[in-house]
Amino acid sequence: AQSVTQLGSHVSVSEGALVLLRCNYSSSVPPYLFWYVQYPNQGLQLLLKYTSAATLVKGINGFEAEFKKSETSFHLTKPSAHMSDAAEYFCAVSDWSNDMRFGAGTRLTVKP
Amino acid sequence: DADVTQTPRNRITKTGKRIMLECSQTKGHDRMYWYRQDPGLGLRLIYYSFDVKDINKGEISDGYSVSRQAQAKFSLSLESAIPNQTALYFCATSDVQGNQPQHFGDGTRLSIL
Repeated sequence: AQSVTQLGSHVSVSEGALVLLRCNYSSSVPPYLFWYVQYPNQGLQLLLKYTSAATLVKGINGFEAEFKKSETSFHLTKPSAHMSDAAEYFCAVSDWSNDMRFGAGTRLTVKP
Repeated sequence: DADVTQTPRNRITKTGKRIMLECSQTKGHDRMYWYRQDPGLGLRLIYYSFDVKDINKGEISDGYSVSRQAQAKFSLSLESAIPNQTALYFCATSDVQGNQPQHFGDGTRLSIL
């Protein structure tokens, strides 16, 4: 079965600093990978997805993620954090059979 | 109006009670999903439906049932609620081209005493 591991349940950065949220996956077949964001009292929003095209994927709100097969990673980055980026972020993996598995989530705090 | 609407938003009930959570969508999507979210566990799939006549079990379907009354409506039932079903429940939809859930409701916070 597929799985994802998100390293760090909490990440804190200063406004304007680089955001790096880590995700490693395990899959026996070429994976499809996703990042979602959840703001307080809301459902999840799809930030970006990797579906075997370009390894560097650009998403909404200035986020991007790079698929690295050799490292089985799909880390999420943003060059400059904004206060509005404070939220919980989920990495997910799917083999396109509807068996999507989510990571435990990383809560991002942005300090002024 | 929200694209995916869940009712109720909050519910407190007692062990053994039957509970129904409802979801309706205006996206026109064929695919609908029910997930539960627990702290430290992320989201786990309970059931999904690709159309009105198609219902499939997810990772954690035991203790739950669903009904797809129409393309726009997908309800989740707990036949006899137990405390470890206390969680945040989400409904989601996707179009035919995307197997991953695309649009989520705002969730139902369910507490079972």
